[in-house]
Amino acid sequence: NAGVTQTPKFRILKIGQSMTLQCTQDMNHNYMYWYRQDPGMGLKLIYYSVGAGITDKGEVPNGYNVSRSTTEDFPLRLELAAPSQTSVYFCASSSDVGQGDFSGYTFGSGTRLTVV
Amino acid sequence: AQSVTQPDIHITVSEGASLELRCNYSYGATPYLFWYVQSPGQGLQLLLKYFSGDTLVQGIKGFEAEFKRSQSSFNLRKPSVHWSDAAEYFCAVGAYNTNAGKSTFGDGTTLTVKP
Repeated sequence: NAGVTQTPKFRILKIGQSMTLQCTQDMNHNYMYWYRQDPGMGLKLIYYSVGAGITDKGEVPNGYNVSRSTTEDFPLRLELAAPSQTSVYFCASSSDVGQGDFSGYTFGSGTRLTVV
Repeated sequence: AQSVTQPDIHITVSEGASLELRCNYSYGATPYLFWYVQSPGQGLQLLLKYFSGDTLVQGIKGFEAEFKRSQSSFNLRKPSVHWSDAAEYFCAVGAYNTNAGKSTFGDGTTLTVKP
C-alpha cells in the first residue's frame, strides 16, 4: 500500500517555464488537496477536490491549475513559473468527511521546487 | 474563518523531560482538531485527532492532547521526550462534515531535543 505518491521529489525551473507536479493515491479517497509550505510557515491550501471531475480553489490558487479525471490522480500544473512559487508542495488525501469518519490527511513526501 | 495559532516557534527540551506544545484555534462550529509531525525532508504524519467525546486523546508515539473548549486550545503533550521526537509539529483545525474537509494549519513549532 503506497499511500500518496508525489513526483518529482525535486525540480529546478527557470522563470516562465511550466511543469506538472504529479500526485497519485491508492486508498480510494475521494478528497484530495494541494498545499504549499514556505520556510517557517504552515501549509497554505492551493486547490482541492472532493471527487473525480470536481475541483475548487483554495487560499492561494493564483498561478496554478488542477484537474481530477480519476479518483487516483490529482496533478498540479504551474504555468509561467515565478520565483514566488519556490516552495515545497504537498499533496494529501482523505476519506470522506462525516461524523467520526474523518481520519485526517495522508500526505505525500513532497516536491521541492525552486524557480530561478 | 478558521485559524490556528501556535505561539511557540521553537522549543528545546532535554531528553527524558516532559513536553507541551501549545495550540489555540478559532472556529465557529464543531471543529476537527489534529496534530501532525514532520521530520526533516518528509511529509506530515498524523499524530492524533479530536472530534468529540473524551477531551483527552491518545495518539501514536506516546503523544496525547487535551481539548479545552473554554480556552479554545488543543495542547500536545508527552511525558518523556526521546531524541527521535525532534521534528516540526503542526496543529490543524478542520470543519466537521462541511467545507470539503479543508484544514487550516498553524505555522508550526520546531522541537529540538538536547542529549
